[in-house]
Amino acid sequence: NAGVMQNPRHLVRRRGQEARLRCSPMKGHSHVYWYRQLPEEGLKFMVYLQKENIIDESGMPKERFSAEFPKEGPSILRIQQVVRGDSAAYFCASSPFQDHEQFFGPGTRLTVL
Amino acid sequence: KQEVTQIPAALSVPEGENLVLNCSFTDSAIYNLQWFRQDPGKGLTSLLLIQSSQREQTSGRLNASLDKSSGRSTLYIAASQPGDSATYLCAVPGGGATNKLIFGTGTLLAVQP
Repeated sequence: NAGVMQNPRHLVRRRGQEARLRCSPMKGHSHVYWYRQLPEEGLKFMVYLQKENIIDESGMPKERFSAEFPKEGPSILRIQQVVRGDSAAYFCASSPFQDHEQFFGPGTRLTVL
Repeated sequence: KQEVTQIPAALSVPEGENLVLNCSFTDSAIYNLQWFRQDPGKGLTSLLLIQSSQREQTSGRLNASLDKSSGRSTLYIAASQPGDSATYLCAVPGGGATNKLIFGTGTLLAVQP
């Protein structure tokens, strides 16, 4: 059973471009969480999704950020018109049930030039 | 609002020492607590998950305890090795309808050979 997979592992974008981060949860896991780790800061929750539904997006910036978890395929975190402050490590975690241990992927490190 | 604090922020010890990392949380109404390890530039590795009904969990040289009433958890590492050098994070569920994790800011451990 492969672990949580994220790609790309490293992503470089220029200001104003779009960034798409992908997360494939562990097999059998239908709950996905996205977290962000800004430089020199702790991990912060962004959004929680269950297949085709956004359950909690209380940690997501109101503008430019969106997330989806379609019926088929990986979960996508999309950042439009990136700015330098978006440079961070973005981690995805999955779990089989809501109140269950979360398993983390290796992260995507986004650098905005 | 749940807040998680970790002390110390950084720790340097000689190889072979036993050490204790501390985690405190403000809202004791949690149903579990997780300890993670993060290596530089890498993802999170789950070390131990303690359910609220448990007082401690052990895995090899690691032992984690949980005292809900006082809002504290400790991670005990026996006979430390240079390979234990990493950032150690504790996390608790943020409450509400989701299982989003609230992370501490971590303890950066360096074990000197």
